[in-house]
Amino acid sequence: RKEVEQDPGPFNVPEGATVAFNCTYSNSASQSFFWYRQDCRKEPKLLMSVYSSGNEDGRFTAQLNRASQYISLLIRDSKLSDSATYLCVVNNQGAQKLVFGQGTRLTINP
Amino acid sequence: GAVVSQHPSRVICKSGTSVKIECRSLDFQATTMFWYRQFPKQSLMLMATSNEGSKATYEQGVEKDKFLINHASLTLSTLTVTSAHPEDSSFYICSARQDRGRFYNSPLHFGNGTRLTVT
Repeated sequence: RKEVEQDPGPFNVPEGATVAFNCTYSNSASQSFFWYRQDCRKEPKLLMSVYSSGNEDGRFTAQLNRASQYISLLIRDSKLSDSATYLCVVNNQGAQKLVFGQGTRLTINP
Repeated sequence: GAVVSQHPSRVICKSGTSVKIECRSLDFQATTMFWYRQFPKQSLMLMATSNEGSKATYEQGVEKDKFLINHASLTLSTLTVTSAHPEDSSFYICSARQDRGRFYNSPLHFGNGTRLTVT
């Protein structure tokens, strides 16, 4: 089983729709969580950190469920510019390296 | 915000030659940097952790003699792909965290990546 699992998609949704991704992680000792976005042939860029209480940044909402070991990302009122691959990233306390999920590819259609 | 610069962004080389990739943290110190490789439609795979002033830590299956890492200062790490072969063609990305506080809670900042093509 992979340490971090995501549905690779692709997800094709119309502009303005709400879309949600989930990600599961296998290590219950994981301490910090992030969502990154990666555009085609570019480096990943931090989208947002994920906190236990959940957090929101504009149209983006991230949730963490430690009991079920999953993280979610919700995008409201999707824009064409949201088209990208979204990477779920997990870090364990004391460990320096991050573990990346495979990524979920999202395409927003006009 | 924290910036990581990676150079070159693209390189094409012949089989058997060596290629050096530089990764610099421009406005912060990074005792530790990370080197990833990404093949098309796959996730980032950690190759090695670069430690300033000491040997790099390689992930299982990564040949340390083929992928030479040097972290000579707090702002520079280099990856040299020695005797490159076509199967080494990939997207190589470095990353770093700022040296502060609760290390594991800090996100990574990525360089812009190097697309290596070995012919």
